[in-house]
Amino acid sequence: SQQGEEDPQALSIQEGENATMNCSYKTSINNLQWYRQNSGRGLVHLILIRSNEREKHSGRLRVTLDTSKKSSSLLITASRAADTASYFCATGDGGSQGNLIFGKGTKLSVKP
Amino acid sequence: EAQVTQNPRYLITVTGKKLTVTCSQNMNHEYMSWYRQDPGLGLRQIYYSMNVEVTDKGDVPEGYKVSRKEKRNFPLILESPSPNQTSLYFCASSIGTGVSEAFFGQGTRLTVV
Repeated sequence: SQQGEEDPQALSIQEGENATMNCSYKTSINNLQWYRQNSGRGLVHLILIRSNEREKHSGRLRVTLDTSKKSSSLLITASRAADTASYFCATGDGGSQGNLIFGKGTKLSVKP
Repeated sequence: EAQVTQNPRYLITVTGKKLTVTCSQNMNHEYMSWYRQDPGLGLRQIYYSMNVEVTDKGDVPEGYKVSRKEKRNFPLILESPSPNQTSLYFCASSIGTGVSEAFFGQGTRLTVV
C-alpha cells in the first residue's frame, strides 16, 4: 500500500539553486522520514521528523511537516551536482506492524 | 562500521531455479525487512520480521519466503523464480518498527530469464 506521494516526480535545477520536494500522505503517522538513493544503490536515511514536530534542519536540509494537511516538504539549499539522486519520503505509523511505507520518489538532477 | 550486507549484488538465473539472497546486519536490530523496487512503482515491502522466528507478509509476498533463525540474518528465498520477479531487491534493518531510521543494504539486482 502506497502511503507517501512525492511531488514533483522529477526536478532539474542548476547548481547553487534550492530544490524543494513535497510529500503527501493519507493516514495518521508517528513520524515521516526522507531518504536519498543514488542510481541503483541502497537508500540512505537523511532526516526523521516526528508527528509533534513542525520543522527540522540538518546541514543544508530543511524538512517541514504539516499534519493537518498531511504533507511534508524537503528543501535542499545551495544544491550541488553531488545532490543528484532520487529522494523518497517514508511514513511510519509506529503501530504493531510498524512498517515504513515509501512513496515513489522525486528524481532530482542538479546541473553543474 | 554499522552496515547491512546483501549478497549477491547481481544475479541472473533461469525460471524455476531456486535461489537465496542473503542479508546480514551488525547493529543488533530487531526489525528487518525486504523490499523490491521497480520503475514507476517505488519500493514495495515483501516480508518483514520483528524478531527471531517472527515474520510476516508485506504488500507483495507472493512467490517469496523468508526465515529469521538468528537476529542478524534475514534471507530471502525464491523457491521457483519467474520473470516477473526480475527486480532490484533491498534488505533493511532498524531498531524499532517504523519509528526509527532504517539502514539499507546495497541492493541485489536480480534477472530471471
